[in-house]
Amino acid sequence: GAVVSQHPSRVICKSGTSVKIECRSLDFQATTMFWYRQFPKQSLMLMATSNEGSKATYEQGVEKDKFLINHASLTLSTLTVTSAHPEDSSFYICSARDPRGSSEQFFGPGTRLTVL
Amino acid sequence: GENVEQHPSTLSVQEGDSAVIKCTYSDSASNYFPWYKQELGKGPQLIIDIRSNVGEKKDQRIAVTLNKTAKHFSLHITETQPEDSAVYFCAFRAGANNLFFGTGTRLTVIP
Repeated sequence: GAVVSQHPSRVICKSGTSVKIECRSLDFQATTMFWYRQFPKQSLMLMATSNEGSKATYEQGVEKDKFLINHASLTLSTLTVTSAHPEDSSFYICSARDPRGSSEQFFGPGTRLTVL
Repeated sequence: GENVEQHPSTLSVQEGDSAVIKCTYSDSASNYFPWYKQELGKGPQLIIDIRSNVGEKKDQRIAVTLNKTAKHFSLHITETQPEDSAVYFCAFRAGANNLFFGTGTRLTVIP
C-alpha cells in the first residue's frame, strides 16, 4: 500500500509552546489529507480535512486557531498545536487518500505529544 | 451524525482458532468498508476492504463479508496467530466523505 510518514514520532513540550507535526505522502500525491486525534484505548477522532492550496475543513468542536493546518504541497501537510496545554497531550495521526486507488486511505505512524 | 457500532470490544481466542468482529452502520449510502489493524503506539494499517457491490472478499487468512440489507459487515480471521493480537477498527465511507470509525476491538491471541 501507499506510504505515509509523520515527524516527529514523539515530542515533549512545555505548556504555552507550539508544536509542529509533519505528514508526508512518500510515493503518491495527496490533494487531501486528514488529521486525527486518538486518546488511550479510544477510537480515532477526525479533527480536520486538509486540502492542498486551500483552507482546511475543521470538524465541529475543533478550534481552528489552536490547531493550525497547512497543506502547502501535494505531499506535505502540517499540523501546528499552538499554545499547547496538558489536555492537548494525545496521539495525533495523519492520513491520506491515494488517488491512484479508488478509495484506500492510508495512515501515518502517529505522533505522541506530551505537554508538561 | 454517522454512526457505526463495533462488537465485541475485547476478544480473546486460542492460537489457531477463528476470530470474528462485527460492525453495524447507519448510512445506507455507504459504499466503502475498510478494516484497520492498530498495534500499540503505531498508526492504523489497512488490512482489507470491501466495496458495496461485493458481498465477500478474502485475502489469505482474512476475510470480510458485507450485508447491505442489514447494514452490517464482519471481519473474519482464521488460524489466528499471536502476531494477530492488536486493536482492530472497522470504518465506512459514503461517497467522497470522510471515514467514520468503529470503537475498536482488542484482539488477544493466546499462544
